[in-house]
Parts: sequence; structure tokens; C-alpha cells
Amino acid sequence: KNQVEQSPQSLIILEGKNCTLQCNYTVSPFSNLRWYKQDTGRGPVSLTIMTFSENTKSNRRYTATLDADTKQSSLHITASQLSDSASYICVVSALVAGNMLTFGGGTRLMVKP
Amino acid sequence: DTEVTQTPKHLVMGMTNKKSLKCEQHMGHRAMYWYKQKAKKPPELMFVYSYEKLSINESVPSRFSPECPNSSLLNLHLHALQPEDSALYLCASSQPGTGADYGYTFGSGTRLTVV
Repeated sequence: KNQVEQSPQSLIILEGKNCTLQCNYTVSPFSNLRWYKQDTGRGPVSLTIMTFSENTKSNRRYTATLDADTKQSSLHITASQLSDSASYICVVSALVAGNMLTFGGGTRLMVKP
Repeated sequence: DTEVTQTPKHLVMGMTNKKSLKCEQHMGHRAMYWYKQKAKKPPELMFVYSYEKLSINESVPSRFSPECPNSSLLNLHLHALQPEDSALYLCASSQPGTGADYGYTFGSGTRLTVV
């Protein structure tokens, strides 16, 4: 069964600090992995997308890593801002017809002043 | 245009009402999706349309009726809903086909409350 596990479930950090979110997956055959940011009551917004051959991808203060051998990914947020407070969802796509996505449970991040 | 637009943003309806949620995209995507998301949970897939034809129905109750009138529009017709159907309803679009989902884009959602 395809699964995506995220940790921690929730995290509180002070403004300006860095943090790292984790994602482990057992999706096969693997197509790609995305990190989404979702504000409360809004739709998910894509931060990064990585395929099998990519190890690192950055988008402004967000840096995602992928280890396809251990089936692990991380999202590092640098110099956090209050606006980073949101849920961060790891989503893995299987290389099958229909592009079925498997969602992680998300990490709820709160950045405090 | 790289957006998926959903209307309305908020909807309150009674259990005997009939209402519709609308979704529109102009990215040329030929796959469109409806998801339901409860608070603090990941989105759950409801329906998938591929080339305007229903390809996946995840055993959704018949009080939810999807419609894809053309390649840019996706509707979700609601009738006789229950309070437990209150949730955030998300629309998404992408290109169909295996591994062709790099442009997978979500709308901002419709917050539905059933009273």
C-alpha cells in the first residue's frame, strides 16, 4: 500500500530561525515528490517538485532534498517568517495511469515573533 | 494563466438545498479533479475527469454529482447533503497520462458548511 509519513506533526519556532521537515514514503513506482504549503482554509500551493534523479531543489527560502534510495525527503526553511505559519504537505505521485497522488498527513508549522 | 479558479469561496446550505460548486482553468489541462478536505487532514480524492470523461469515482455518495461540460470547466452539484459533508472542497487540474502531472495545480477551495 502506498504511504507517505511526515514528521513532526506540528512544530513551533521563533521568527528568524531555521527548521527542517521530514517525509518518508513507500510509493511505487515512484514518479515525483512535491512539497506543498497550505494556509488554513486555502488550497495547497506547490513549493517544489522533484523527480527520481534530483537530489536538491530550492525555491527562495525553501530547500527540498530527496534520497530516492532511502525514500526520504526533507524541506528546510531558512530564516523563517511569520507568513511561513501553515501546513506543509508532502505528496508523492506514482508512475501509473491517472497520476494518483499519495498525501502525507502534513506538518503544521507555527512561527512566533 | 496558471490558476485554477473556484467559486464560490464560501457556501452555507441547508440539508434540503441544491447548490453547485464551480471550477475553471485555462492552462489547457485535460484532467480535472475534485477533492474533499476535513480540518487537519490531507485532501481525499473524490472524482477524476480525463478528457471530459469521468474516469475515477472514489465511491462518493450520489448526493455529490460531478459534471465536466468542457475542457476548462468542472462542476460539483450538491443535493441533500448532511452536516458531516461540511469541508473544504478543492479542485485541481493537470495533464492526463502517466507521469505527466508536473503542472498539477490546486484551486483555493470552497469552504462548504451544511446546516
